[in-house]
Amino acid sequence: AQSVTQLGSHVSVSEGALVLLRCNYSSSVPPYLFWYVQYPNQGLQLLLKYTSAATLVKGINGFEAEFKKSETSFHLTKPSAHMSDAAEYFCAVRGSSASKIIFGSGTRLSIRP
Amino acid sequence: EPEVTQTPSHQVTQMGQEVILRCVPISNHLYFYWYRQILGQKVEFLVSFYNNEISEKSEIFDDQFSVERPDGSNFTLKIRSTKLEDSAMYFCASTEGGNALNSPLHFGNGTRLTVT
Repeated sequence: AQSVTQLGSHVSVSEGALVLLRCNYSSSVPPYLFWYVQYPNQGLQLLLKYTSAATLVKGINGFEAEFKKSETSFHLTKPSAHMSDAAEYFCAVRGSSASKIIFGSGTRLSIRP
Repeated sequence: EPEVTQTPSHQVTQMGQEVILRCVPISNHLYFYWYRQILGQKVEFLVSFYNNEISEKSEIFDDQFSVERPDGSNFTLKIRSTKLEDSAMYFCASTEGGNALNSPLHFGNGTRLTVT
């Protein structure tokens, strides 16, 4: 069975600082991994996806994530945080089934002025 | 850009009543999903639907729940007799067919269901 674990339910960084949101996955087959963002009172928006074509994946809004098989990780980073990045971020995994994706518990990102 | 639309945005109902949450997936998508998010908690999978039948469901999706694609555009979630613990945000999602494993899910903005 596939699952993802997000370390840290809440991360706070200063504006302009590096953002690092951690995600580790568990999968018995090569995983397909995603990061989604949820702004207050809105739906889930895709930030980026890993599909085995490249280990470093670039997404929208300056975010990127690196797939590390040896560490079973898919951490999300952004070099310089902006106030508008404040949101809930979810890591998700899909395994061999073409059906559902499974979400992590989410990390709330706060940005300090 | 095409998007998944959900109606209503907020539904208030009394315990024991039936509710139907409506979704219009992206038109060329073939896989449809319902997820829910209880306030402050994780996004949980409920059910997936493909080729006019349920392809997978979670333990949350008990006999009180049903899904239907009544026509070529709508996808509905029915809760037969609502309970207080059904209060949550319900998200509809869809994805295209073909190489579906790397196709992300596209989500609607959700319906907030409040059961009183």
